[in-house]
Amino acid sequence: GAVVSQHPSWVICKSGTSVKIECRSLDFQATTMFWYRQFPKQSLMLMATSNEGSKATYEQGVEKDKFLINHASLTLSTLTVTSAHPEDSSFYICSAISPGQLAYEQYFGPGTRLTVT
Amino acid sequence: AQTVTQSQPEMSVQEAETVTLSCTYDTSESDYYLFWYKQPPSRQMILVIRQEAYKQQNATENRFSVNFQKAAKSFSLKISDSQLGDAAMYFCAYERTGNQFYFGTGTSLTVIP
Repeated sequence: GAVVSQHPSWVICKSGTSVKIECRSLDFQATTMFWYRQFPKQSLMLMATSNEGSKATYEQGVEKDKFLINHASLTLSTLTVTSAHPEDSSFYICSAISPGQLAYEQYFGPGTRLTVT
Repeated sequence: AQTVTQSQPEMSVQEAETVTLSCTYDTSESDYYLFWYKQPPSRQMILVIRQEAYKQQNATENRFSVNFQKAAKSFSLKISDSQLGDAAMYFCAYERTGNQFYFGTGTSLTVIP
C-alpha cells in the first residue's frame, strides 16, 4: 500500500523557536494532505487541509499564522510551528490522498511528537 | 458542524469473545462516508472498515463488521473472535464532502487473555 512518512518522528525545541515537520508521500503523488493534532489519550483534531500549489484551508480556531503549512510539491507538505510554546506540545499527524482517490484511500503518516520546553 | 461521539472511553473483552464499540454522529448531509480506525501503541492509524452512507448493507471485513443505522445516525463496530492484537484505541470517523475527516473521541479496547 501507499506510504506516507513524517520527519522528524520526535522533536524537542525551546519555547520561542520554530520547528518544521515534513510529510512526504513516498510512492504516490498527493494533491491533498491533511494535518491533525492529537493530545494524549484524545482524538485527532483536523487542523488544516493542504492542497498542492494553493493556500491551506484552516479549521475554525486554528491560528494560520501560528501553524504555517506549505504544500509546494505533490509529494511534500510541511507544517511549521512558529514561536512554539509549551501548549503547542502535541502529537502531529499528516495524511495524504492522490488525485481521483476517495477519502477512504487516505493514508496516514506515523506522526511527529513535538515537545516544547 | 459535524460531530462524532464515542460514549465508551474504555472497553474490555475476553480473548475469542465479541465486543461492540458504539459511535453516533451528527450531520445534515445525506451522502458521506463513515470509518473505523485503529491506533495501536505505535500511533500509526490503520483503517479497519468503511461504510458508504448510500449503501444499506452493513460493511464487513473478516472479523470486523458494522451496524449502520442511518436514520439514528449510529455506526457501531463489532469485533468477533477478539485477538490480543486487537487491543488499541479505536476511532470512529466521518468524512464530509471535501475529504475532511472528523474523528470521535476514541475507545480504548483491552483484550484479556
